[in-house]
Amino acid sequence: EVQLVESGGGLVKPGGSLRLSCAASGITFSSCNMNWVRQAPGKGLEWVSSISSSSTYIYYADSVKGRFTISRDNAKSSLYLQMNGLRAEDTAVYYCVRDGSNWIYDYWGQGTLVTVSS
Amino acid sequence: DIQMTQSPSSLSVSVGDRVTITCRASQSISSSLNWYQQKPGKAPKLLIDGASRLQSGVPSRFSGSGSGTDFTFTISSLQPEDIGTYYCQQSDSFPTFGQGTRLDIK
Repeated sequence: EVQLVESGGGLVKPGGSLRLSCAASGITFSSCNMNWVRQAPGKGLEWVSSISSSSTYIYYADSVKGRFTISRDNAKSSLYLQMNGLRAEDTAVYYCVRDGSNWIYDYWGQGTLVTVSS
Repeated sequence: DIQMTQSPSSLSVSVGDRVTITCRASQSISSSLNWYQQKPGKAPKLLIDGASRLQSGVPSRFSGSGSGTDFTFTISSLQPEDIGTYYCQQSDSFPTFGQGTRLDIK
C-alpha cells in the first residue's frame, strides 16, 4: 500500500519559517518525481513545487519562487519543503504528491495544515 | 501559464441524475487533461487521466472526453458516494487546476 505522510505544519507568524516533511512508503521513492500541491481553506488546488527523482530538475510556482525550497533524501524516502518568508496567503493544506507520469498525480498524502497569522 | 476554466462551480443533483462538467483550457493541451475527485476533508483522488483513461478501480459510471481546449467529465448515474468536489487539471506544462465543481444532493 502506498503511503505518503506529511508532517511539520502548524501556526507561524508572517515572515517566519517552517519545514514540511513527507515520508513515503510502498513506492520506489528514488524513481519517483515528487511534488507539493497546496489548497487554501475553502479554495482550489495550486501546484507549488516539483523535484525530479535524482533532484536534477526542480521547479517552483511563481508565487513561492525565492522563498520555498524543495529537496529530497532518497535514502530516507523523504521529501521536504523549506518555507521561508511566509505570508498570510501561504495559509493552506500542503499535500505531498507523487507524479505518476508527466504531471499526473496518482498518489496524495493526507495533507498538513500551515497557518500564517500574527 | 495555461488557465483552466471549469463550469459550473456548483451543482445540486439527485441520485440517479446524469452529471456533466466542462473544462476549457486557455490554449491547446492535446489530451493532457486529468480529473480528480475530492471528498470533504480528504485528499484529491485521480479518476481519469489523458482526458478519457479511467483509473483502475474507478467505477465505469465516470467518463471523460475531449481534446485540444474543450473537455467534458460525466457521471452517468449519480450515486450518493459521488458527492464532493471535482477538479480538472492540465498536465501539458506546469500543472494548473480548474476552480472545481462542487456536487451536492438536491
